Amino acid sequence: AQKVTQAQTEISVVEKEDVTLDCVYETRDTTYYLFWYKQPPSGELVFLIRRNSFDEQNEISGRYSWNFQKSTSSFNFTITASQVVDSAVYFCALRLYGQNFVFGPGTRLSVLP
Amino acid sequence: NAGVTQTPKFRVLKTGQSMTLLCAQDMNHEYMYWYRQDPGMGLRLIHYSVGEGTTAKGEVPDGYNVSRLKKQNFLLGLESAAPSQTSVYFCASSVSPGRFTNTGELFFGEGSRLTVL
Repeated sequence: AQKVTQAQTEISVVEKEDVTLDCVYETRDTTYYLFWYKQPPSGELVFLIRRNSFDEQNEISGRYSWNFQKSTSSFNFTITASQVVDSAVYFCALRLYGQNFVFGPGTRLSVLP
Repeated sequence: NAGVTQTPKFRVLKTGQSMTLLCAQDMNHEYMYWYRQDPGMGLRLIHYSVGEGTTAKGEVPDGYNVSRLKKQNFLLGLESAAPSQTSVYFCASSVSPGRFTNTGELFFGEGSRLTVL
């Protein structure tokens, strides 16, 4: 069975600190897709990134970066120089080829000014 | 630039009443989903559809019915609402992920907040 674990329920940081959100997934399939979504206080779900299992290349987008390591089944998300606008719940998700999404429970990030 | 649109955005029902949530997408996506989100519970899949005329049960289907008569629409029905169905409901759509390409993310609607008294 597939599973996504986000062990950090809540994280609080002070603005400008770096913060890493952990995501660990479980699957026996060799073809799968990983995603991160952001849910700000306004409630909408915003897609941030996707990765497929054939591409372990890390990605950087502005202050956001993602570290995908198949050896540890992890897809961690780092925010550099955090800002108050980064305050949100962040969900990691796993999708197998042709199957539905499995979401983690989410990590609530609070960035304090 | 509509994407995924849900109506209504807010609704208050009394126990036993029925209602339908409408989801419409304009991206020609094959797959559509209904999720519910409760505090501290993350997203739970209610029902989904992999194409027009098809529906399937998700993780928490009891008390809900769905229909996908048109490719662009996915309806979620509550026949006899219960207080346990108080939640925020999200509709989403996607294409099927290509095996060797980066595709297939979910596009979400803005959510519908339902309160059952």
